[in-house]
Amino acid sequence: EVQLVQSGAEVKKPGESLKISCKGSGYSFTSYWIGWVRQMPGKGLEWMGIIYPGDSDTRYSPSFQGQVTISADKSISTAYLQWSSLKASDTAMYYCARPPIYCSSTSCYTGDAFDIWGQGTMVTVSS
Amino acid sequence: SYELTQPPSVSVSPGQTARITCSGDALPKKYAYWYQQKSGQAPVLVIYEDSKRPSGIPERFSGSSSGTMATLTISGAQVEDEADYYCYSTDSSGNRIFGGGTKLTVL
Repeated sequence: EVQLVQSGAEVKKPGESLKISCKGSGYSFTSYWIGWVRQMPGKGLEWMGIIYPGDSDTRYSPSFQGQVTISADKSISTAYLQWSSLKASDTAMYYCARPPIYCSSTSCYTGDAFDIWGQGTMVTVSS
Repeated sequence: SYELTQPPSVSVSPGQTARITCSGDALPKKYAYWYQQKSGQAPVLVIYEDSKRPSGIPERFSGSSSGTMATLTISGAQVEDEADYYCYSTDSSGNRIFGGGTKLTVL
């Protein structure tokens, strides 16, 4: 079974650093992109960025560029989202998610949307 | 910046057809996708590439796109379809974006 399992909830103070994780299983981790999505309390979904663990190619939404760092360790099939200095406004649920690969008789391509999601990691930043 | 615009809420009675719209200037050239998110749960992809339904998604869910508007249709909505629905697409630069979400009430 394909799964993304995220690390547990975190409570941090403003200014602290944090790294949350997302472990993939049941598929070839290096063959699929993994992305991160933020959902602030009571609000909608926001696409943050995506990484290809095979070569660490990383893309960020302009809204999140420079605010977070996405990385991956393919040796343990785990992707990460990290902050160097948290703010109260970083309080949110964070989901990792994976897009599918669609194949025809002649070629395959990665879909734009995510079809496999982690369970989410709640990050609370409060003094 | 690019936006996908959805109505904040849609309400239908059980068995009726629910239609949720999503408008965006790039939709004539970019696919639309739709997610369902029930309270306290991760999103679920219900429509991809405008009108395709992933395995396991009931047939009452369908999608279409014309011009700058994409539409998610739930034919014969059921109480268990009550959820937030988000459209999703890309802009001309390849940035991914979600719509603001629509709360579907079925009662």
